[in-house]
Amino acid sequence: DAGVIQSPRHEVTEMGQEVTLRCKPISGHNSLFWYRQTMMRGLELLIYFNNNVPIDDSGMPEDRFSAKMPNASFSTLKIQPSEPRDSAVYFCASSLFLAGYNEQFFGPGTRLTVL
Amino acid sequence: SQELEQSPQSLIVQEGKNLTINCTSSKTLYGLYWYKQKYGEGLIFLMMLQKGGEEKSHEKITAKLDEKKQQSSLHITASQPSHAGIYLCGADGGGTASKLTFGTGTRLQVTL
Repeated sequence: DAGVIQSPRHEVTEMGQEVTLRCKPISGHNSLFWYRQTMMRGLELLIYFNNNVPIDDSGMPEDRFSAKMPNASFSTLKIQPSEPRDSAVYFCASSLFLAGYNEQFFGPGTRLTVL
Repeated sequence: SQELEQSPQSLIVQEGKNLTINCTSSKTLYGLYWYKQKYGEGLIFLMMLQKGGEEKSHEKITAKLDEKKQQSSLHITASQPSHAGIYLCGADGGGTASKLTFGTGTRLQVTL
């Protein structure tokens, strides 16, 4: 398996523009996670899905952020409109959640810069 | 909510030296995961601990979970430049939630 795939790897955009980040989880995994990493706040969980259903979106900072998982092999994180403070590295991770074991596999991340 | 504190925040060691990174939880740990991250890359899983007193090793890295299950340590023996990166601990809060809570990370530099 190719692992978790994220696109794009780098995104530079101007304030106010819409940004869409994409993730393809590992085939067979039943949980998908979106994280944001910054120097100031570290690694933050934004939202996660179990079997394509959003379970906890309490980490989503504002209504400008939205995430979807239309099927087991694809998820998007959208920011509209984007702001400079959204600049960060966004990671997608997936796991095959079993009781007592929860190893997450991370993608390479998308480095977002909002000017 | 569960919080994880890592210490030290950063560490510079000379090649060949041993070092220890600590991860302390505000609540009981049902599963503790150690990850390593190189600059510009995603997190790579190192090992997972579940039982109080458990100890696991992989190459020159050893992790332990204390008996009271609220603290874990990661020990590197004879550090090498390849060990450089950010080490993060992640905690499973138990139950049916599949999410992990991550610590703030420890940045390790290994000098020649």
